[in-house]
Amino acid sequence: RKEVEQDPGPFNVPEGATVAFNCTYSNSASQSFFWYRQDCRKEPKLLMSVYSSGNEDGRFTAQLNRASQYISLLIRDSKLSDSATYLCVVHNYQLIWGAGTKLIIKP
Amino acid sequence: EPEVTQTPSHQVTQMGQEVILRCVPISNHLYFYWYRQILGQKVEFLVSFYNNEISEKSEIFDDQFSVERPDGSNFTLKIRSTKLEDSAMYFCASSEEGGSNYGYTFGSGTRLTVV
Repeated sequence: RKEVEQDPGPFNVPEGATVAFNCTYSNSASQSFFWYRQDCRKEPKLLMSVYSSGNEDGRFTAQLNRASQYISLLIRDSKLSDSATYLCVVHNYQLIWGAGTKLIIKP
Repeated sequence: EPEVTQTPSHQVTQMGQEVILRCVPISNHLYFYWYRQILGQKVEFLVSFYNNEISEKSEIFDDQFSVERPDGSNFTLKIRSTKLEDSAMYFCASSEEGGSNYGYTFGSGTRLTVV
């Protein structure tokens, strides 16, 4: 089983729609969880940390389910500028990266 | 906003040559990292560095690789005798804490092309 697993996509979504990504991780001892965004050939940029209680930042909502070892990211009212690859990242002494889910927002 | 700075942005080198990739982490950060990303693949951890020594390293970080903090600001990755498969984006990152709950700040990367 991969350490961090994501659906690679691409997700083709019309502008304004809501889209959700999921991610599973294998190490139950993982300590911290993040969503990063990566534009083509650019560095990853932290989108948000993920907390057990769930957290929201504007149009973005992240959820963590430790029992199921599952992380989600919800994007509401998607914008063209949301087109990117979304990386699920788990911290356990080092960052373990998923391969990313590619999102394409269409006008 | 504080940045992690990497130079050069693109390096082309011949197979077998040595390269040094340079990074200037954020000044009050204590933990430094190198990651790499082969084109089309996921980001992979190479090494973490704290208190002037390596704290963790991956299987990728073999004897071909070394890191150094030669002064108070720079953090370098040296790759000896480069191979074609070393071609990748190399990202430097830094964080205030090792077990960070706030994520790391990444530099914009050095694209290494080995020919």
